[in-house]
Amino acid sequence: AQKVTQAQTEISVVEKEDVTLDCVYETRDTTYYLFWYKQPPSGELVFLIRRNSFDEQNEISGRYSWNFQKSTSSFNFTITASQVVDSAVYFCALSLRSGNTGKLIFGQGTTLQVKP
Amino acid sequence: DAGITQSPRHKVTETGTPVTLRCHQTENHRYMYWYRQDPGHGLRLIHYSYGVKDTDKGEVSDGYSVSRSKTEDFLLTLESATSSQTSVYFCAISVGGVGANIQYFGAGTRLSVL
Repeated sequence: AQKVTQAQTEISVVEKEDVTLDCVYETRDTTYYLFWYKQPPSGELVFLIRRNSFDEQNEISGRYSWNFQKSTSSFNFTITASQVVDSAVYFCALSLRSGNTGKLIFGQGTTLQVKP
Repeated sequence: DAGITQSPRHKVTETGTPVTLRCHQTENHRYMYWYRQDPGHGLRLIHYSYGVKDTDKGEVSDGYSVSRSKTEDFLLTLESATSSQTSVYFCAISVGGVGANIQYFGAGTRLSVL
């Protein structure tokens, strides 16, 4: 069975602190895709990143960076120098190549609060 | 903007009444999905569609049905709403190859069943 676990339910930091959101996934498939989505207080879901299982290179986009480690089945997300606008619920998700459905399996989400 | 419109955005209904939520897309994508979001569960797939009149169940499909008579519209129906179906419902479309796709979501429908 496939599963995504975000063990951190809520995180609170002060502005300018770095923060890492953890994501651990389970699958026996060898080809899969991992995603992060952001849900700000306004409620919409915003796509942040997609990684495939064959690409373990870390990725950096501005203050955001992602660390993908197949050995530990983790796909962690770090925000450097956090800002109040980063306050949101963040979801990690998994999609499998097999089955051709494209459906996403989501983690429970981590609520990040960045205080000024 | 992925061209996805959900309607209504908010709805309050009573237990036992039928409810239909609509998802409309403007970009002719083949795959469409309905998810529900509940605290502590993230988003869970209800049903999905891979073409006109082609649909399949997700992990929480009990009590829901869907229809897709046109590429652009994917309807979610609660035949007889229950309080456990109070939730936020999101529609999504898939862009790119299946599996490698990126899903883009509508703004959501907040449904309250009293």
